[in-house]
This record gives sequence, C-alpha cells and structure tokens, in this order.
Amino acid sequence: IAGITQAPTSQILAAGRRMTLRCTQDMRHNAMYWYRQDLGLGLRLIHYSNTAGTTGKGEVPDGYSVSRANTDDFPLTLASAVPSQTSVYFCASKMSKENYGYTFGSGTRLTVV
Amino acid sequence: DAKTTQPTSMDCAEGRAANLPCNHSTISGNEYVYWYRQIHSQGPQYIIHGLKNNETNEMASLIITEDRKSSTLILPHATLRDTAVYYCIVGSTGGTSYGKLTFGQGTILTVHP
Repeated sequence: IAGITQAPTSQILAAGRRMTLRCTQDMRHNAMYWYRQDLGLGLRLIHYSNTAGTTGKGEVPDGYSVSRANTDDFPLTLASAVPSQTSVYFCASKMSKENYGYTFGSGTRLTVV
Repeated sequence: DAKTTQPTSMDCAEGRAANLPCNHSTISGNEYVYWYRQIHSQGPQYIIHGLKNNETNEMASLIITEDRKSSTLILPHATLRDTAVYYCIVGSTGGTSYGKLTFGQGTILTVHP
C-alpha cells in the first residue's frame, strides 16, 4: 500500500540519549517534511527536503538534524534528547512541483524523561 | 506564507452541511488554499485545495471569494466521523517557501447526532 511509514509508533527516551525517527515513503515524492505537534501550538515544521541530497531548516530546527540520502527515506535525529522535545512527530511528503496535498504518516509519539 | 484565521470551534448536526470559514487576507497571487483535517491521534489528511476557482471532490467543496481573501470548506452531509480539527493553510510550491505549509490552530468541528 502506497504511503508513508513512520517508526517507531511511540518511544520513551531518557534525556541525553540519541534517537532517530524513521520515515519511509514509496510514492517517489520529491519533497519530504518533519513536523512536531504540541497541544496549543499546532503543527510546526522542523526540517524539510525538496529533493534527495538537499535539506532545509523549518520553524523549529534546533536540537534536530535530518539527512536525505535517497528519495524514499528522511530520518530525523535527536542528538541529545531533552524533555522539551516530548511531542508527536509527523513525517509528510509530496511531489515538489505539483500543488497536490501532502501525505502524512501516522506519527511517532516521543516522550523524553 | 500567508497567515490564516479560523474560528476555534464549530458545531454541526449530522446530515447537515458543515461550512467552515477561513480568512487569508494577505494571500499572494501564487499561493494556493489547502484544507486538511486531523482526526484524533492520526496524521493530518488532505481534503482539497484551490487557487481561485471553486473546487469539488468526493470529500468536500471549496469556495474561494473573488478577491481570494477568504474561503469556505463545505462538507455537504456531515457525519459523526467528520468530527476533527480542520486546518486552512495557504502556501506555494515556488520560491523560498517552496512546498512548505504553515499549519495554524485550526477549527475543531464537532458533528453531533
């Protein structure tokens, strides 16, 4: 089934630990995005990638890094997790040169303790 | 990206049309209007988008005013499963805001029996 797969579904992480959230899409979409969603703050863009090999910073990039080695994968890494990074993380993708809607993954619920 | 203004919440009776308004008075000429919804704990779901003409698909209709400063999403026959947060977003696929959409707080639509 075409779409976006995020893993893990949920995770409890000790502060200071490193964590990579995985995102894979099989739709050959050029552009991919990472959002975090927090109560009262809506969805905020962390990082994005318009095409394989390129990345850019979104609204709240601090403490996060991304890579885009190929079209399908867009992992998000927390180098040293802090409690303020407790959130629900959504990965999304779209064809970059079309005005179609984004496809979102089902999210990763991360709790940093 | 242009900012949007939506009511915080709305109610609708099951079987009736739900009309969700959105103001985007600072929209620029190349920006589209997108609508997404998010059902509790799930990733956002694309509904519809448009530039200046009214649009209709199997889920909803989008009415954009002639000056493009506001729009209305219409769910013609709301069901209980349409209860969700509805996001109105404006964005562009070109320039420095290439493909990045800014999600606001959205409208909580509650459909009641």
